[in-house]
Amino acid sequence: DQQVKQNSPSLSVQEGRISILNCDYTNSMFDYFLWYKKYPAEGPTFLISISSIKDKNEDGRFTVFLNKSAKHLSLHIVPSQPGDSAVYFCAAIGSGGSNYKLTFGKGTLLTVNP
Amino acid sequence: DSGVTQTPKHLITATGQRVTLRCSPRSGDLSVYWYQQSLDQGLQFLIQYYNGEERAKGNILERFSAQQFPDLHSELNLSSLELGDSALYFCASSVDRVGAGSPLHFGNGTRLTVT
Repeated sequence: DQQVKQNSPSLSVQEGRISILNCDYTNSMFDYFLWYKKYPAEGPTFLISISSIKDKNEDGRFTVFLNKSAKHLSLHIVPSQPGDSAVYFCAAIGSGGSNYKLTFGKGTLLTVNP
Repeated sequence: DSGVTQTPKHLITATGQRVTLRCSPRSGDLSVYWYQQSLDQGLQFLIQYYNGEERAKGNILERFSAQQFPDLHSELNLSSLELGDSALYFCASSVDRVGAGSPLHFGNGTRLTVT
């Protein structure tokens, strides 16, 4: 049972345009969400996060939006740069009990074309 | 540089063998996590330790085991290896439970190839 889903395996955008990466989740106990970026031959790098008490968090060119009712979050990158080309993972963690497991989606490969 | 160190970077071994993957967490981090990434798969959670004790378990096979030592480094032991165990194994660390101000920091992984 995949609790965090990234339905687009890949996305291609032009440099300077907006990149929108989407993520859906099924577990209503998730209360904290993170985005990671991964380059080849490297480990995932933390990018940005959002708590379920917020609906938006911004950090420079990166903004994460959370729609709790739809169990959906998205990562916006504006403007996109060629260096942003990487695999982006959405991740979520829940509250309560001993839930310390960070659950990841399968990732979306973003390609930003010059 | 995340501060999480994993060794070795690459490991090639035969079916039926046993290997040990090592991880040193970031300075100050008490929690260590192990993840497996197979081809076309996301990051599958294996196991988590906090200050030497097992805290959470995911889809870890019985042939796999892990421990966290008093100096907080961790080892993942994989035995009776099968071809399907070929994957990237990531170690990650955090101060405590992942949450606001405490994201997970990953090492660069160990690529295991079982032939």
